[in-house]
Amino acid sequence: QVQLVQSGAEVKKPGSSVKVSCKASGGTFSSYIMSWVRQAPGQGLEWMGRIIPISGTADYAQKFQGRVTITADESTSTSYMELSSLRSEDTAVYYCARPKAGAPGAFDIWGQGTMVTVSS
Amino acid sequence: DIQMTQSPSSLSASVGDRVTITCRASQSISTFLNWYQQKPGKAPKLLIYTASSMQSGVPSRFSGRGSGTDFTLTITSLQPEDFATYYCQQTYTIPFTFGPGTTVDIK
Repeated sequence: QVQLVQSGAEVKKPGSSVKVSCKASGGTFSSYIMSWVRQAPGQGLEWMGRIIPISGTADYAQKFQGRVTITADESTSTSYMELSSLRSEDTAVYYCARPKAGAPGAFDIWGQGTMVTVSS
Repeated sequence: DIQMTQSPSSLSASVGDRVTITCRASQSISTFLNWYQQKPGKAPKLLIYTASSMQSGVPSRFSGRGSGTDFTLTITSLQPEDFATYYCQQTYTIPFTFGPGTTVDIK
């Protein structure tokens, strides 16, 4: 059974960066594209980007271009999402998610979420 | 980006009711449409993928249909555990975009 376990909650100052990890267990890490999705308090879901672990190629939503970096370490089956130049509007729960085999983008496996709070 | 809308934004219903949620895409997305259920403090749960395929383990009272720009999620007999927020999501092209959600609460 594939599981995604994320790092713990973070509190950051405006202008700083945060790096959230997502460790996969129980499956073949490099076989699946890993996406990152965030959810601000009381708000909807927002796709940020994805990475193909086997190639290291990443795609990002235009909104986050230049501020987000998604990476993958096959040796530890871990994906990372780093968001820089943080502002209060980045306060959200950040999820990693893996798509269902044969259904690109249909996320059947999710991490537990990491709360990132941006506050001075 | 493809914009997704949902209606209604919220609804109140009783156990046993039939509930239908509508999702519309700003352009044709074929059947690249998924539905999720989310409960407070939890990660979303995939219910339906590619518009009408049911995810393993999802009760048969959930069903999805549609293609092109218009889609529906139907719950045939609402159960207490179905009170939640439902999101549609298009995966026709990146960025994958979600609808704003429909909250189903108890009447």
